[in-house]
This record gives sequence, C-alpha cells and structure tokens, in this order.
Amino acid sequence: AQRVTQPEKLLSVFKGAPVELKCNYSYSGSPELFWYVQYSRQRLQLLLRHISRESIKGFTADLNKGETSFHLKKPFAQEEDSAMYYCALQRGGADGLTFGKGTHLIIQP
Amino acid sequence: DAGVTQSPTHLIKTRGQQVTLRCSPKSGHDTVSWYQQALGQGPQFIFQYYEEEERQRGNFPDRFSGHQFPNYSSELNVNALLLGDSALYLCASSLAPSGGGEQFFGPGTRLTVL
Repeated sequence: AQRVTQPEKLLSVFKGAPVELKCNYSYSGSPELFWYVQYSRQRLQLLLRHISRESIKGFTADLNKGETSFHLKKPFAQEEDSAMYYCALQRGGADGLTFGKGTHLIIQP
Repeated sequence: DAGVTQSPTHLIKTRGQQVTLRCSPKSGHDTVSWYQQALGQGPQFIFQYYEEEERQRGNFPDRFSGHQFPNYSSELNVNALLLGDSALYLCASSLAPSGGGEQFFGPGTRLTVL
C-alpha cells in the first residue's frame, strides 16, 4: 500500500529564512503528488501539484523519483506562510488522496 | 459560489447510534470524496462517488456507507458508532475522476461519539 511520510510535526523558522518541508512517499508506480495547506480557521486547499511545475506564493516542490521525495521549499519565509501543510499522493485516475500527517509551520517575526 | 458545503457543523452521538453527514459539491463538480481526519492526523480517504456509484474505497469497514444523488450532493452514513469514529469528516469535490485533478474541500463536520 502507498504511504506518505512527513517527518516533522512542527517546523519553526524566522521570517526571511529559507523553508523546507519534507515529504517522502512509498509507492511502486508513478504517483501524482500534491501539497495542500490549511491556514488558521480556513479549509484545506491545494497549494501546488507536481504536474503543474508551478511556483505558488513563492513555494516550489520537485518530485525526486530516485529518492521518492517531494519536498516543499521557499527561499524567504513570510509570516503569512504560517499554516498546516499536508503532502498527498494519488495513485492515479479516480483514486482518493493519501495524506501525510502534516507539518505545522510557524514563521516567527 | 459557496464552494463545498457540509452539514451539520458539529454532531454529538453515543456509541451504537447511526449518523448521516451531508455534502454539497462546488458548482460544476460531479465527483465527491469523503475523508476522515482524526486529531493530529492527516485526512484518510473513505470513498469516492461519481455518477451515483461508489468508485473507489479506502480501508474502512462496511459500517461506513454513502450515497450520491442526481444533483451530485452526497451523504456519508456511519452505523454502530464507535468511540474511535470521533473525528472531523471532510468532503471534497472535483470534476470527473482524473489523475492530478484538484479536490476542493469543505469545512468539515466534527463528530463526537460518547
């Protein structure tokens, strides 16, 4: 069965510092990978997906199939980045999402 | 467009009872997925409905069942409630099932089983 691991439950960095949220997955096929974010008192929403290769709010994520990782990065953290971040995998087609346990990112002023 | 809506917001039940949660998808969406999120955990996929049929199912017992109506709204039913069923239940909608598609989440229904 597929699995998503986010090793950090909590990550605290200072404003302006680089941020990297780690995500590793286990799946034998070619998955679709996503990062979802939940800001305080808001609903879960898509941040970015690997197939789009976009940069959203300064965040990027590269799929590394060799290391089975999909780490989320931002060069300069902003206070509004404080939120709960979930990495998610989809096996493909109509499959549901498999989420990691999430990382709570706190940006200190 | 209000996006995905869920009702009720909160619910308290006792062990052994049955519960029904409701979801209306985002306008234009025809696929509904349900997730269970226990405290401190990520959402866990329960099942997905498309064209009024269950298309995919996660690792949940038969006590969890669902339904999708012709207007694409959906219900999640849980029978014989256990204490461990206490969680936030999320509904997500999307366009016809396709890999890599975005799922839009509702605010959730908080179920407490006493």
